[in-house]
Amino acid sequence: DAMVIQNPRYQVTQFGKPVTLSCSQTLNHNVMYWYQQKSSQAPKLLFHYYDKDFNNEADTPDNFQSRRPNTSFCFLDIRSPGLGDAAMYLCATSPDRGHLEQYFGPGTRLTVT
Amino acid sequence: GENVEQHPSTLSVQEGDSAVIKCTYSDSASNYFPWYKQELGKRPQLIIDIRSNVGEKKDQRIAVTLNKTAKHFSLHITETQPEDSAVYFCAASIGRGSTLGRLYFGRGTQLTVWP
Repeated sequence: DAMVIQNPRYQVTQFGKPVTLSCSQTLNHNVMYWYQQKSSQAPKLLFHYYDKDFNNEADTPDNFQSRRPNTSFCFLDIRSPGLGDAAMYLCATSPDRGHLEQYFGPGTRLTVT
Repeated sequence: GENVEQHPSTLSVQEGDSAVIKCTYSDSASNYFPWYKQELGKRPQLIIDIRSNVGEKKDQRIAVTLNKTAKHFSLHITETQPEDSAVYFCAASIGRGSTLGRLYFGRGTQLTVWP
């Protein structure tokens, strides 16, 4: 009965090799968020989608892109991963922008070698 | 944007004791304050939240208090148990404008409950 699913749970990529992380949800929520969480730090918002409306945080590097082909799926693309991009990537959803609770997926642990 | 400060960064208590974690926020427009518990390697889980029209909310051993005037809110855990050991994050959300729904997180508190 998983509601927010992330694949893969663990991803190893090489320095500079593009990688895609995926998030899917069975909740039919309008809003989807991508967070980066480094060790012993708070989750940092990268961007979010309100339906198809993409909202980028001002300090999100251009190296990070996102796609939302439909309500259920959202992808995080890292075009040229650096060692500093190693982190846990968390996807979260919310029913609507005015609905403030967010529901997190289990995360994808990204390792860059 | 909103700035959330969280203290302490680490907290150790004996099983059965109470634990209190405090957060302050900067933007008076913030009106939603959730608390998340994150165990090692797992997702953040919402454990309790409070909205700005309420001063206190309780759920079994967990309570949250909010002081809008002072712009601070606190998490209280009573009768702590070893399974309460985790990192706890506070957050604030501004209920208007382009940042509607965006969560601003504190830096987290590592709570350790010793048996």
